[in-house]
Amino acid sequence: AQSVTQLDSHVSVSEGTPVLLRCNYSSSYSPSLFWYVQHPNKGLQLLLKYTSAATLVKGINGFEAEFKKSETSFHLTKPSAHMSDAAEYFCVVTLSGGYNKLIFGAGTRLAVHP
Amino acid sequence: NAGVTQTPKFRILKIGQSMTLQCAQDMNHNYMYWYRQDPGMGLKLIYYSVGAGITDKGEVPNGYNVSRSTTEDFPLRLELAAPSQTSVYFCASSPSGLAKPYEQYFGPGTRLTVT
Repeated sequence: AQSVTQLDSHVSVSEGTPVLLRCNYSSSYSPSLFWYVQHPNKGLQLLLKYTSAATLVKGINGFEAEFKKSETSFHLTKPSAHMSDAAEYFCVVTLSGGYNKLIFGAGTRLAVHP
Repeated sequence: NAGVTQTPKFRILKIGQSMTLQCAQDMNHNYMYWYRQDPGMGLKLIYYSVGAGITDKGEVPNGYNVSRSTTEDFPLRLELAAPSQTSVYFCASSPSGLAKPYEQYFGPGTRLTVT
């Protein structure tokens, strides 16, 4: 069965410092993986997706993630945090059986301090 | 291009009341989904639809019903509302086809409180 574990429920960084949001997945087949961001009282927006084409995936707003099959990880990084990055981030894996169904991690709340 | 729209934005229901959450998309997507998001949790799939007239249960369907009479609309019905259904509800849509996976596009959500 597929599952996603986000290792940190809260991460706090200073503006201008690197961001690391950790995600481990479990899947019995080669998964597709996503990172979504949710700003307060807003819907979810896609940051990036992994589809087996390249293990290092670049997304919007300077974010990127690296798929590591040996570690079953898909950590999200950004070299330099901006105040506008403060939000909830979800790591997501596709569910087997088709129809593009998704399984969400519990989320990581990122706080960015001046 | 409005994308995915949801109404209402907020609603307070009394226990035992019923209501319909509306969802519409204007991207001609075949796939549509309903999720609920409880505090501190990720989204859980309630129901999904792969086209007009075709719906199926997700992880947490109990207490809900859906219908899909058109490609654009995918309403979610709550019968006999219970406090456990207090949550934020998101509707999403995605394209379908062989070139998977597709991004899901989310609406802004409906915040529902049952008291």
